[in-house]
Parts: sequence; C-alpha cells; structure tokens
Amino acid sequence: EPEVTQTPSHQVTQMGQEVILRCVPISNHLYFYWYRQILGQKVEFLVSFYNNEISEKSEIFDDQFSVERPDGSNFTLKIRSTKLEDSAMYFCASSEPRDSSTDTQYFGPGTRLTVL
Amino acid sequence: AQSVTQPDIHITVSEGASLELRCNYSYGATPYLFWYVQSPGQGLQLLLKYFSGDTLVQGIKGFEAEFKRSQSSFNLRKPSVHWSDAAEYFCAVGGLVDTGRRALTFGSGTRLQVQP
Repeated sequence: EPEVTQTPSHQVTQMGQEVILRCVPISNHLYFYWYRQILGQKVEFLVSFYNNEISEKSEIFDDQFSVERPDGSNFTLKIRSTKLEDSAMYFCASSEPRDSSTDTQYFGPGTRLTVL
Repeated sequence: AQSVTQPDIHITVSEGASLELRCNYSYGATPYLFWYVQSPGQGLQLLLKYFSGDTLVQGIKGFEAEFKRSQSSFNLRKPSVHWSDAAEYFCAVGGLVDTGRRALTFGSGTRLQVQP
C-alpha cells in the first residue's frame, strides 16, 4: 500500500541553524501538507501546497518557514533559523481528492525535531 | 472557526471490553470528520472518515463511528478491545474543499490503555 515517507526520523540542531525536513508524498497525490505536534499538545496545521504554490497557511507558518517541491517526488519544509520552540514532531501529509468535495489526508511517520 | 473537543484525556479499558471515545465538534456547516490513531513512535493512521450519507461509518481494525448532527458528535466505538489497540486517538474536522480550506483541525487526543 502506498505511503507517505519522511526523513530523517529524528533531527537535532542548534538554535539559529537552518533545517530541512523531507517528505515523499504518495505518488499520485496532488495536495501536500505540513503539520506539527509539540510534545503533549495538539496536532496543528502549518501549510498546504498545491500546483507549486502555497494554498493555505496558519499563523504559525511565518517568514521563518518555507516549503518547496524541488522535484517530482519530494516535498520539503525549511526552517531558516530554528528556535527552541520549534522543537516538535513534524508530520507531512498528502491527499488526492477524487472530486472537488472530499479530501482525505494520509500522514507520514513524522520527523522529530529537537532544537538545543 | 472550527474546533474539536475530546473530553477524555486518558481512558483505560480491559481487553475484550467495549470502547467509546468521545468527540464533539464546532463547525458552521456540514463537517468532514475523521478519526486517526497514533501508536507510540508512529505516524497518524486513518481509522475512518465521514463525509456524507450513512451516519454510521465503518473503519479499519473493527472500529466504527457515528455522526450525530443534533449532538455535534462523532464518537468512536469498538465492541471488543484488543491489547494492540493501546494508542492515542485523534478526532479531526476538515474544511470544505470548495472553500479552499483543507486544513484539518485536531482534538487534543485520547490516550487509550488496555489492561489484560
């Protein structure tokens, strides 16, 4: 069964460093998402991406964050200058709505980001 | 704004007992509702979803959920719990695709423990 994959599974970085989290969505999917889950808190939406542009973003997704689909298979989340509060589990998801009214998002296993 | 409430942070049941996890939502129109499960160290796996039609939906692993518009609820049930069901369960509500808002809003989760 096709699945979303994410690398690395765990990333440790120093505050102020740039990190890139990578995701390979399900191959025929068109919409891509990033969510995060700070330890002990809810899963929160960050951004959605369609047709090579951001289609929706939350308040969390500020100028420190960017997303990119550098090739036909990868989808990346970059954090330019990490802060302690960026420590979280980051989930990638993808969806391929078969019609215009429904959407089911499939999630990857997550990347745990630890900022020291 | 849409919101999801899972009133039970932690539930413990005995193996073989029945299970009901509560979920209440707030949304201005007909919601799209989901249940995801997260096992330790794993990503979010879709259990089931409700878009329209029959209000009782069947999912994987023997789970079902019932949409009750009058109560703004989408409770998850299983008639007989197995030890492997121990995990964290998240209810989520999705936006209407035709509004361009696909972001999922998650509840805070219910951690299920299963006693032998």
